[in-house]
Amino acid sequence: GAVVSQHPSWVICKSGTSVKIECRSLDFQATTMFWYRQFPKQSLMLMATSNEGSKATYEQGVEKDKFLINHASLTLSTLTVTSAHPEDSSFYICSARDGRTNTGELFFGEGSRLTVL
Amino acid sequence: AQSVTQPDIHITVSEGASLELRCNYSYGATPYLFWYVQSPGQGLQLLLKYFSGDTLVQGIKGFEAEFKRSQSSFNLRKPSVHWSDAAEYFCAVAPGSGNTGKLIFGQGTTLQVKP
Repeated sequence: GAVVSQHPSWVICKSGTSVKIECRSLDFQATTMFWYRQFPKQSLMLMATSNEGSKATYEQGVEKDKFLINHASLTLSTLTVTSAHPEDSSFYICSARDGRTNTGELFFGEGSRLTVL
Repeated sequence: AQSVTQPDIHITVSEGASLELRCNYSYGATPYLFWYVQSPGQGLQLLLKYFSGDTLVQGIKGFEAEFKRSQSSFNLRKPSVHWSDAAEYFCAVAPGSGNTGKLIFGQGTTLQVKP
């Protein structure tokens, strides 16, 4: 199946700093990628839909100025957590749909664990 | 609004025993249904999916699931559980045509396997 990779796998930062997480589709082009957030022992919640070449679409309640999404190429989307605070600590997972299949199946990255001190 | 419910938050089974994880969905039309597995600190791996056709679908690692429209259910089963199956399991539905890629996840079921 298609491969999606995230980097970094884990990151620790100080409160007030910004952190960038990358999501790459390694063997296919993804015009659309999705960013999810997962709190400990909880399910995944969709944060935003990243569209190549256009603005991301954010879900209700997600601050677009807080979570900046850039989808500059067909294989890369980035999520930047700006002015991070401890409450932003979470597991962030990206996913992408392989447009060749058009089945709605998503392929997920390994996730990135953010800890804000 | 579409929703997915996994009634069991935590399940413990003995190695070699059979397993059934429950999933119920709320959706007006026939949805696209998925089961994912997540090991600690890892991303999600697709176990199986249902789009149409045969209501009993086979997946990887010996898992299967049955779509029952009358019960709005898509329960995951495995005849004999292995210790390596211990993980978090998520049922998900893709609304609309299924091509949006926006999955709605259930709360997850944690599977513990006793030796």
